[in-house]
Amino acid sequence: DGGITQSPKYLFRKEGQNVTLSCEQNLNHDAMYWYRQDPGQGLRLIYYSQIVNDFQKGDIAEGYSVSREKKESFPLTVTSAQKNPTAFYLCASSVREGSYNEQFFGPGTRLTVL
Amino acid sequence: AQSVTQLDSQVPVFEEAPVELRCNYSSSVSVYLFWYVQYPNQGLQLLLKYLSGSTLVESINGFEAEFNKSQTSFHLRKPSVHISDTAEYFCAVSGTYSGAGSYQLTFGKGTKLSVIP
Repeated sequence: DGGITQSPKYLFRKEGQNVTLSCEQNLNHDAMYWYRQDPGQGLRLIYYSQIVNDFQKGDIAEGYSVSREKKESFPLTVTSAQKNPTAFYLCASSVREGSYNEQFFGPGTRLTVL
Repeated sequence: AQSVTQLDSQVPVFEEAPVELRCNYSSSVSVYLFWYVQYPNQGLQLLLKYLSGSTLVESINGFEAEFNKSQTSFHLRKPSVHISDTAEYFCAVSGTYSGAGSYQLTFGKGTKLSVIP
């Protein structure tokens, strides 16, 4: 079955530590995205990548970093510079070209900073 | 720039009653519209989408939405809700890919639908 996987489902981190969230897709999509979700705030775009070895900042990139070394993978690192990292993180992918941007989502990772 | 407004953050409704979740958008270009559903602690699933053609679109589980260009709306409706419809619903708008740079999917802040037995 084609889809997007995110791991782990739940992640706990101590303040001051960096942590990396995994996102893998086998949909053969070129574009991948990371969103942060907080209660009542909808989805906010952190980073996106349209092609391997290229990525752009979204609306709230500060304190986060990404890499895109393979088409299938788009890991997100939450650094110690992120002031309030506790949130639900969603990864998505889409075809890069086409009339519209329909995104497919993974199951999410809930990060809690202790 | 494009934006999406979901007018109600929470909608409680009794089981088997009808429901409407409101969505308005603004965009300077042609748009494509989506409704996604999110169950607790899960990712978003596409519920239905308007791309072109008939302005009334339907999902497999009884939801429908109507694209109204003059009112810039894409409200989601269901004539009779079930307990299993309890979830958060997100309206989203996409512009047209231009070939130069990206085109984003812009989300509303979501509406939590609570179905009361």
